[in-house]
Amino acid sequence: KAGVTQTPRYLIKTRGQQVTLSCSPISGHRSVSWYQQTPGQGLQFLFEYFSETQRNKGNFPGRFSGRQFSNSRSEMNVSTLELGDSALYLCASSLGPTSAYEQYFGPGTRLTVT
Amino acid sequence: AQSVTQLGSHVSVSEGALVLLRCNYSSSVPPYLFWYVQYPNQGLQLLLKYTSAATLVKGINGFEAEFKKSETSFHLTKPSAHMSDAAEYFCAVRAETSGSRLTFGEGTQLTVNP
Repeated sequence: KAGVTQTPRYLIKTRGQQVTLSCSPISGHRSVSWYQQTPGQGLQFLFEYFSETQRNKGNFPGRFSGRQFSNSRSEMNVSTLELGDSALYLCASSLGPTSAYEQYFGPGTRLTVT
Repeated sequence: AQSVTQLGSHVSVSEGALVLLRCNYSSSVPPYLFWYVQYPNQGLQLLLKYTSAATLVKGINGFEAEFKKSETSFHLTKPSAHMSDAAEYFCAVRAETSGSRLTFGEGTQLTVNP
């Protein structure tokens, strides 16, 4: 069974631009979560989607948004990029949104904002 | 609210020596606890998880962890370190009420010396 895939793997953007990252979960998994990883702040939860609905959201500004499609694939969007948005963005999928299910992580998208 | 503290951002051991990575948690409700490993330029891989079934949890690659409620700890151990164990390790907590959302510790970078 294929793992979680994220595209693109690397991305360079300029301040003020916007960016869209994509995540395809493991087949059969319906819950997708996003995390931001930076050297200074570590791993921080962005949001979680299940059945095309945002179920949980971390403490990030409104510039960070996401959505989930009917096939469970998810995208996250960051508008008006800032230098501090440079990070590794990780997507994780699980069978469902409850705490009983394990999360499987993708390789991440490395975003660099210049 | 739940939180995790990993004691020691860097741990260095010799090949063949015991690996001990420390994690203490804080949770207002019974937690689920996890250890993840991250190799350079990769996502997170689940090593093991505690879900209240047994206090001693065995994971992949010879790692195990013991849940000690009285000490609010979930330390990760491996009897004999291999060079391939060099990576960053993250302890994470999830409460039953928080859905899929994981709260991570700051991470511990493990170096294995020949």
